[in-house]
Amino acid sequence: GAVVSQHPSWVICKSGTSVKIECRSLDFQATTMFWYRQFPKQSLMLMATSNEGSKATYEQGVEKDKFLINHASLTLSTLTVTSAHPEDSSFYICSASSVLFTDTQYFGPGTRLTVL
Amino acid sequence: AQSVTQLDSQVPVFEEAPVELRCNYSSSVSVYLFWYVQYPNQGLQLLLKYLSGSTLVESINGFEAEFNKSQTSFHLRKPSVHISDTAEYFCAVSDQDSFQKLVFGTGTRLLVSP
Repeated sequence: GAVVSQHPSWVICKSGTSVKIECRSLDFQATTMFWYRQFPKQSLMLMATSNEGSKATYEQGVEKDKFLINHASLTLSTLTVTSAHPEDSSFYICSASSVLFTDTQYFGPGTRLTVL
Repeated sequence: AQSVTQLDSQVPVFEEAPVELRCNYSSSVSVYLFWYVQYPNQGLQLLLKYLSGSTLVESINGFEAEFNKSQTSFHLRKPSVHISDTAEYFCAVSDQDSFQKLVFGTGTRLLVSP
């Protein structure tokens, strides 16, 4: 099946620093990647959608200057949380789809971000 | 805009018993429906999906869900659960125009005990 990885699986950082999270499709070309955020005991909330080579489309209420998304290749997307603050602590999950299966997203295992 | 309601945050059940996880959605347009499962320390995995055609869809591990348009529901069922089915189950919906934009429910934790 289609496999998506994320790195790191968890990260702890100091307030004010920036953190980069990688999302990779290991065995398929991901034309579209998605970034979600999940708070404890809540559902996944879509943050942004990115197509390879294009600027990401952010959902309403998501600060594009704070959550920088880059989708430079068909197998890699990155999410950079800039000037992180404790309220940015959350579980960040990426998913990917392909032109071969546009109606299905394959999810990464998630990254736990803790900002001190 | 779509929304998904999973009323049960947790469902405890004994092994080999039947189970139903409820999912209701709200949408003004035609939708696609999905069930994802998340095992501990793993990413979400697609369990089954309804896109069109038969309203009863099945997964390879014995789960099934039925799309009921009149009741706007997509409940997940299994006639006999195993310990290994213990996981978090998420129902999700997308509209057929922007089908890649998934809206998730809050999830139901299925706890199967011996």
